[in-house]
Amino acid sequence: DTEVTQTPKHLVMGMTNKKSLKCEQHMGHRAMYWYKQKAKKPPELMFVYSYEKLSINESVPSRFSPECPNSSLLNLHLHALQPEDSALYLCASSLAGTGNWRSGNTIYFGEGSWLTVV
Amino acid sequence: QQQVKQSPQSLIVQKGGISIINCAYENTAFDYFPWYQQFPGKGPALLIAIRPDVSEKKEGRFTISFNKSAKQFSLHIMDSQPGDSATYFCAASRAAGNKLTFGGGTRVLVKP
Repeated sequence: DTEVTQTPKHLVMGMTNKKSLKCEQHMGHRAMYWYKQKAKKPPELMFVYSYEKLSINESVPSRFSPECPNSSLLNLHLHALQPEDSALYLCASSLAGTGNWRSGNTIYFGEGSWLTVV
Repeated sequence: QQQVKQSPQSLIVQKGGISIINCAYENTAFDYFPWYQQFPGKGPALLIAIRPDVSEKKEGRFTISFNKSAKQFSLHIMDSQPGDSATYFCAASRAAGNKLTFGGGTRVLVKP
């Protein structure tokens, strides 16, 4: 079973709503990620936090706002989304973004949050 | 620019057969190559991974073959079972980096 926990599993929101997706891991990982996945496509990287600091933003629109309150938690705040933002949002974690290559950089995914924007 | 190309897009195999999925990469800085298995409605799960200092890695019925000079790697699923029916993604990254580049995915259907 995955050790990356995401809530809620399903979310339906209107275009004027504000909602948040939450993610938690207790593996002691110091890098956490948000990915977006559309049907029949691979996951697309959105954000990376390394040691609780935002290290990568893949030019994501500002209606998506990530937050990393501590090394175990990751949030994605959603506001004024569009129907085309409907997708599976995946949280992931890895031991560290920077480290010696022998430890690898295995990325572990959660089950995802299905978001529908109406 | 797609840096990891995966083929085929879909694959149908009979139970007990061999499923073969191929990937090719362009960025010679990649040095970590994981495969993920994703069932419908679930997140991707790490299946097996390889580094370029080995040419083959086997875990149970799953084997990765790696050809560094050709910049290609492949997944072989031996004795395929209906429970193996899923989408498989190859990926590549620099082990010291945070960015995982995925292939386009292969939907595998194992017929009983």
